[in-house]
Parts: sequence; structure tokens; C-alpha cells
Amino acid sequence: SQTIHQWPATLVQPVGSPLSLECTVEGTSNPNLYWYRQAAGRGLQLLFYSVGIGQISSEVPQNLSASRPQDRQFILSSKKLLLSDSGFYLCAWRQNTGELFFGEGSRLTVL
Amino acid sequence: GESVGLHLPTLSVQEGDNSIINCAYSNSASDYFIWYKQESGKGPQFIIDIRSNMDKRQGQRVTVLLNKTVKHLSLQIAATQPGDSAVYFCADNNTGGFKTIFGAGTRLFVKA
Repeated sequence: SQTIHQWPATLVQPVGSPLSLECTVEGTSNPNLYWYRQAAGRGLQLLFYSVGIGQISSEVPQNLSASRPQDRQFILSSKKLLLSDSGFYLCAWRQNTGELFFGEGSRLTVL
Repeated sequence: GESVGLHLPTLSVQEGDNSIINCAYSNSASDYFIWYKQESGKGPQFIIDIRSNMDKRQGQRVTVLLNKTVKHLSLQIAATQPGDSAVYFCADNNTGGFKTIFGAGTRLFVKA
């Protein structure tokens, strides 16, 4: 069966520091992968999606970037974090039917 | 449309009552919708789905209604329980595309 993992689960970083959140999927090949962000008490904002290795589509201009170095690996990065980058980051893969399966989430606090 | 920067609306119901959560969508071509439940500190999880060739679909204690004329979805939860307390999102999964667009979400509080 398919599983999705992301880490770290929680992260506290100073403003201006770099960021790397990692997501891996098991049990499926060539998945469509997604990064969403959820600010406290708010809805889900699509940040990036990828339909294959090296293919990244950005939905919102920001100081974040995403990469897909391997088929089942999706990384969210930043060179210099802002206070506004704080939030709950969710990685997901999409089944052919359209259903999304989410990881456990990574809670980022930028101080 | 997409939920960006919106505070979640809330719904408070008494335990045992029925809950109705509403959602509007904008794309007339959308053909597949999913309701997700998100518990605190976790990722959203699938509850029930419906395709555009249906008006109603029932699961265990949940029913989704689709009104294509006014582009409106609703999720009905029967005999709401404390474990139903969560945030509920409707999602437009236009199967012709790659993106899933989430509604604004509704936070459901269940009073004992």
C-alpha cells in the first residue's frame, strides 16, 4: 500500500535562516506530488505541484522553492525564511481518481 | 475558489444533532468533488466523494448533496458526535487537471 512521509514534524527557525522540508512516497510510481501551506486557523493554499522528476509548477510567488530530485521525493526549500513563512506545511500525492493522500504535516515557526 | 488568507467559518452543533456544512464552487466543468476532514495537527483525510453525474451520495452517517445548477455542495453529518469536531474542506478535483482546489473550510464544534 502507498504511504507518504514528511519531516521534520516540527521546526523552529530564526528569520533569515534556510529551510528544507522533505517528503517521500512509497508504494507508487510517478505520483503527482503537492505542497500545501496552512496558516493558523486558515484554509489550504497550494504552493507547488509536480507531475514528474524535475517538473515543478509554482502557484504563488514567494520566497519558497520546490524540487523533485527523484520520482518519489519532493522537497520544499527556502534560502532565507520570513516571519510570514510560519505555518503548517502539508505534502500530498494524488491518486488517479483525484483523491489526495496527505503526509503528517510539518509545523514551521519562524521567530 | 482557492482558500487563501481566509479565517475559517465555524459551525457549532449539539451532540446528537445533524450538521450541514456548505460549499460553493465556481467551475461549471468540474466533475468530481471530495470532502475532507482535518483533525487538529493532522493532514486532511478523505470522507466522501461525488461525481457530477450524481446528485446525492451516502456513506456511514454522512451524505453529500450536489446542486450543479447553483454550483453548491453540502455535507450532512447525522447524529453528530464529539469525534466529528474538526475542520471540513470541500475540494474540486477536476479530473482533467492536476490541481485540487480546496474550499475555505468550516470548523465544526460539537457541544456535549
